[in-house]
Amino acid sequence: DVVMTQSPLSLPVALGQPASISCRSSQSLVYSDGNTYLTWFQQRPGQSPRRLIFRVSNRDSGVPDRFSGSGSGTDFTLQISRVESEDVGVYYCMQGTHWPFTFGGGTKVEIK
Amino acid sequence: EVQLVESGGGLVQPGGSLSLSCAASGFTFSSYWMSWVRQAPGRGLEWVASINRDGSDKRYMDSVKGRFTISRDNAKNSLFLQMNSLRAEDTAVYYCGGEPRTLGYWGQGTLVTVSS
Repeated sequence: DVVMTQSPLSLPVALGQPASISCRSSQSLVYSDGNTYLTWFQQRPGQSPRRLIFRVSNRDSGVPDRFSGSGSGTDFTLQISRVESEDVGVYYCMQGTHWPFTFGGGTKVEIK
Repeated sequence: EVQLVESGGGLVQPGGSLSLSCAASGFTFSSYWMSWVRQAPGRGLEWVASINRDGSDKRYMDSVKGRFTISRDNAKNSLFLQMNSLRAEDTAVYYCGGEPRTLGYWGQGTLVTVSS
């Protein structure tokens, strides 16, 4: 199985400051159709997960533009340009290239 | 608006069975793969199973193979997960999810507790 490694585990950030989460895969996530199926999710306390970014860098409708995704191959990053209070929660990456699909362990973002 | 509504969770003894359902609306259900994803209490997300548009292709995580069965009824816009031989480690919130490669849609989840 593809192992997804996220870092850091916990990320205290001051309001208005940037945040960056790393996600590394044990294999390349480039699929045979040419797409890279790396997705980022946000899970606020007590809520279901919500997709933020799909195929590395495509932001979902309604997701603030302070969220951005980048990377290629095995190395990916989620960036929040200026953290707001509503961004508190756990962020997960997931690979949808190789069955079984696997998630990273999560990064907890909190306000410092 | 896309809606996925799970039901069927509850308390079950080890070795028992439970059947989950997911009612879908707001999109053409029969055109999409569908998935189940779970989250144990205080833990991360774990993909469980997915099924293709007509139900002819089913994928499972290793630890549920032979115990869980995913199915769908396109006429009723419904997704199912039959869970047999349940173990304590199957305790989790089970989410109905959309297309598995990117999981754009999630339900609110239903809690399954396996305990004596």
